[in-house]
This record gives sequence, C-alpha cells and structure tokens, in this order.
Amino acid sequence: DTEVTQTPKHLVMGMTNKKSLKCEQHMGHRAMYWYKQKAKKPPELMFVYSYEKLSINESVPSRFSPECPNSSLLNLHLHALQPEDSALYLCASSLTSGGFYTQYFGPGTRLTVL
Amino acid sequence: TQLLEQSPQFLSIQEGENLTVYCNSSSVFSSLQWYRQEPGEGPVLLVTVVTGGEVKKLKRLTFQFGDARKDSSLHITAAQPGDTGLYLCAGNGGSNYKLTFGKGTLLTVNP
Repeated sequence: DTEVTQTPKHLVMGMTNKKSLKCEQHMGHRAMYWYKQKAKKPPELMFVYSYEKLSINESVPSRFSPECPNSSLLNLHLHALQPEDSALYLCASSLTSGGFYTQYFGPGTRLTVL
Repeated sequence: TQLLEQSPQFLSIQEGENLTVYCNSSSVFSSLQWYRQEPGEGPVLLVTVVTGGEVKKLKRLTFQFGDARKDSSLHITAAQPGDTGLYLCAGNGGSNYKLTFGKGTLLTVNP
C-alpha cells in the first residue's frame, strides 16, 4: 500500500479564519513533507519532518504552522492567510534509509483564501 | 544549487503518436523519479531510477537514466488521451529529503 491520504479535499477560508490540513500515511515512512503547488508549476517544498521532528523549514511564513503528532500523521495549521496563499497543498512521505528516498504524494487539498 | 532542465514544456499531439520528454542536469543524482499529475490531484509516482544506464518499462512508457546519472528521458509509445497530464521529473541530489523538480511537461493527447 503506497497511499497517502489528505483531508479536506477542498477548503475555502477567510483571511481571519483558523483551519488545519491533515495528512496520514501507514507505509511506515518516517519522513513527511508539506509542499505548496501553483497551477502548472512543480511543487515547492515547505516543511520536512524526520522522525517526528522538524528537519527543514524553507523560510515559510509563520502563518503556516506544521505539526507531527506521531509517525503517521502530519498537520498544517493555517492562520491569517493571504489570498496569494491559495494553492494546492500536498503532503508526501518517504523512507529515511535504504539508499534512496522516493516520495509518495497525497491527493492534495485545494485551498482558496478569500 | 542543482537544476533539472525539463523539455518540452508543452506538448500537444494526436492519439497514436510517440513522444519523448527529457530531463537534463549538470549535477549527478542518486535517484530520479517521474510523476504524472492530473489537474487538482497529487503527483502519482510512475517510476524511480537509480542505476546509471538503467531502462525501465511500464506498459507503453519507457524510462531511461543516463550513464552518468545526470539526465533521464520518458518515452511514450502510441499515446492515448488517458496519458494527458503534467509530467514531472524529480531528482534526489545531495540531500535525502530535498527533491529537485523539473518545471514539468504539460502533455495533451487529442483523440
């Protein structure tokens, strides 16, 4: 099973709202990722968690707050977003050993900020 | 900074035609992935190549990894409308966690 799940599928929020995106995988992967993707562009890395610890933050604004409660779950908390934050948000996971680190992506959450 | 030059950026062909997409770099990658993505969906992994000179086949799709592990190609034989989508190459370089993505090839196969 190479499935990464994400909820919700679609999210519309105002600039003063607080919302959360959720991601789950049961492949035993210990690295999990958040990406942001604009239409017809490649994904842009936001955060990487390795063994439930934040490993990489690609200078993401603090209105995005990641959380990794356990090895299977990854959240992205959203607060005071801007309209330019509207995008497809992708979660991915991978192994952390064994030679190569193929990333498996979830279906994404389409976020619209009004 | 590692770069992956992917070409062509756009490709519109008729059903039944063949096509090749290229990803080239001056950097060496330990592995390279190809993904296909449909609008509003996440990228779906097609293949991972890890050995220089490696060729992998997935039905009508053939993937090659260059001998020096700096370039890769995706060849589709007898394209079908269901092949329509954004094709992304992505390489693992110096960091285990950071992928270098090509800019993508938007393929449209017309019936």
